[in-house]
Amino acid sequence: SALTQPASVSGSPGQSITISCTGTSSDVGAYNFVSWYQQHPGKAPKLIIFNVNNRPSGVSNRFFGSKSGNTASLTIPILQAEDEADYYCSSYTSSSTLRFGGGTKLTVL
Amino acid sequence: EVQLLESGGSLVQPGESLRLSCAASGFTFRNYAMSWVRQAPGMGLEWLSGIGDSGVTTFYADSVRGRFTISRDNSNNRLYLQMANLRAEDTAMYYCVKDDNKYGDPNFFDNWGQGTRVTVSS
Repeated sequence: SALTQPASVSGSPGQSITISCTGTSSDVGAYNFVSWYQQHPGKAPKLIIFNVNNRPSGVSNRFFGSKSGNTASLTIPILQAEDEADYYCSSYTSSSTLRFGGGTKLTVL
Repeated sequence: EVQLLESGGSLVQPGESLRLSCAASGFTFRNYAMSWVRQAPGMGLEWLSGIGDSGVTTFYADSVRGRFTISRDNSNNRLYLQMANLRAEDTAMYYCVKDDNKYGDPNFFDNWGQGTRVTVSS
């Protein structure tokens, strides 16, 4: 089964939003191997956060990742129109597999 | 520039087999683990399988273990996914993805192909 994410989140430009990703003590809670991906319609996903709170080179510094217990979070402090997309979290598991979240549709109002 | 180009997707009938291929370029393929991820129409992402840099270690999701086989050819910079006994629920876009490490047990994927579409229908 997938990690638990809200189905949708929305905000206005300039606002802050947070997307949660809840797992268990066998995945999110056990490892600092949580990643986040952004997917625009019709495109392949793009890595935006890895290992909880690291940004790949070239990714906007407006994306922030964090984790507390079995829940990870992606925060965008200053929302921009181009942030409208689907977002997926993922976590390594104790079974040496990877679980994705169900995905969150971010709408910029 | 890293490029991952998938091929082999098509329309097949339930119970049939199919092999997907991924041509990699722009990086030292033999030094990195690779995985396959799929996305059913209108649905989320699902990790399927990973393989270590040498091809010796492999990992599978429970949903495909025993039906799908991952392999690689480091001489030709290619990744494969052999799929058997296909079902309607295997209908999806299949992505070839590069991991950041060499081990095969999946962590994060820093490069994705554009995907190849598989449709299983009678």
